[in-house]
Amino acid sequence: AQTVTQSQPEMSVQEAETVTLSCTYDTSESDYYLFWYKQPPSRQMILVIRQEAYKQQNATENRFSVNFQKAAKSFSLKISDSQLGDAAMYFCAYHPTRGGPNFGNEKLTFGTGTRLTIIP
Amino acid sequence: DTEVTQTPKHLVMGMTNKKSLKCEQHMGHRAMYWYKQKAKKPPELMFVYSYEKLSINESVPSRFSPECPNSSLLNLHLHALQPEDSALYLCASSQAQGREKLFFGSGTQLSVL
Repeated sequence: AQTVTQSQPEMSVQEAETVTLSCTYDTSESDYYLFWYKQPPSRQMILVIRQEAYKQQNATENRFSVNFQKAAKSFSLKISDSQLGDAAMYFCAYHPTRGGPNFGNEKLTFGTGTRLTIIP
Repeated sequence: DTEVTQTPKHLVMGMTNKKSLKCEQHMGHRAMYWYKQKAKKPPELMFVYSYEKLSINESVPSRFSPECPNSSLLNLHLHALQPEDSALYLCASSQAQGREKLFFGSGTQLSVL
């Protein structure tokens, strides 16, 4: 079974600074998807960034970028120029590719989350 | 329209009440999901519907009864709940089961007294 670990329950960063959230995962699959979701006080799960494991290039979405280290099974999120609106719970998540040994049972597996506070 | 709409946003119910949560999407998605999320925890999968048929039930107690009347609508019927069932209930949808891109609603915050 896949597991996702976020070892930082809480992080804080000064506004306009850069912060990195850590995530490691365990899987025996060679192809899969990794995600960072953001859950602000509004409670909606918002997709921040998505990485396909077969792509070596790290995904980037504006101020958000990832450092994907497949061999180390590490998937960290870097937030540049932090803004007050970035304050939220951040969940790292894993999803297998469709089909294969997981066919019909593909599920999104979440880490335990990191609460990010932005200091004005 | 890329929204998943959940109603109500908040619900308070007694342990003898019967209530229902509703989820709707108009993206043509054929897979819909119910998740339960306790405070400061990640969401936990409860049910998956694929093409209006129940595909996955994560050993959820029978006091939770899902229903998918059509491809756009997903309900969760609640009966004889316990206080420990108080949580945020999130609905999500994807193009098909197994597709990795899930769209989430903003949830129903349920309190059982």
